[in-house]
Amino acid sequence: DQQVKQNSPSLSVQEGRISILNCDYTNSMFDYFLWYKKYPAEGPTFLISISSIKDKNEDGRFTVFLNKSAKHLSLHIVPSQPGDSAVYFCAATIIQGAQKLVFGQGTRLTINP
Amino acid sequence: DAGITQSPRHKVTETGTPVTLRCHQTENHRYMYWYRQDPGHGLRLIHYSYGVKDTDKGEVSDGYSVSRSKTEDFLLTLESATSSQTSVYFCAISEFTDTQYFGPGTRLTVL
Repeated sequence: DQQVKQNSPSLSVQEGRISILNCDYTNSMFDYFLWYKKYPAEGPTFLISISSIKDKNEDGRFTVFLNKSAKHLSLHIVPSQPGDSAVYFCAATIIQGAQKLVFGQGTRLTINP
Repeated sequence: DAGITQSPRHKVTETGTPVTLRCHQTENHRYMYWYRQDPGHGLRLIHYSYGVKDTDKGEVSDGYSVSRSKTEDFLLTLESATSSQTSVYFCAISEFTDTQYFGPGTRLTVL
């Protein structure tokens, strides 16, 4: 039973355009959501997060939107750059001490010149 | 970058043999985690630790044990490796509810 789902295994975007990555979750108890970026042969690196009390969080070119009623979050990257090509994982957790992350399957983003 | 190292980085072993993976941190963070990454599953939590000698199970703990005798080291042991445990293993650390930082990973192949 996948509690966090990323239904698009891959996404291809032209350089300079907006990249939108989507994530759905089923557990309404989740109260903190994160996006991680992963390059091949490296560990995931933290990108941006959002608390369930907010609906938007922005950090430079990256914005995360949370729609609690739809149990949906998205990551917007504007403008997309070639260095953004990577696998992106969304993750969710319940804030209670240990941060037990539940990850989606990942979306491979390719930015084309 | 957070000071997290994993050893070995690559290992090939045979079914039935014991395997221990090591995670070492220099950040003095309280929480440490072990995840495995498999195609189609993302990362899944195996075990985690909330202090020295304090550990608990995660989502996919069967066939794995852990130990934490020092703040800086978190060991993951496969008592008798099986082919289904072929995976990439990531260690992570965090301090209370702060962001979780990941190590570089260990690629384990069980033949």
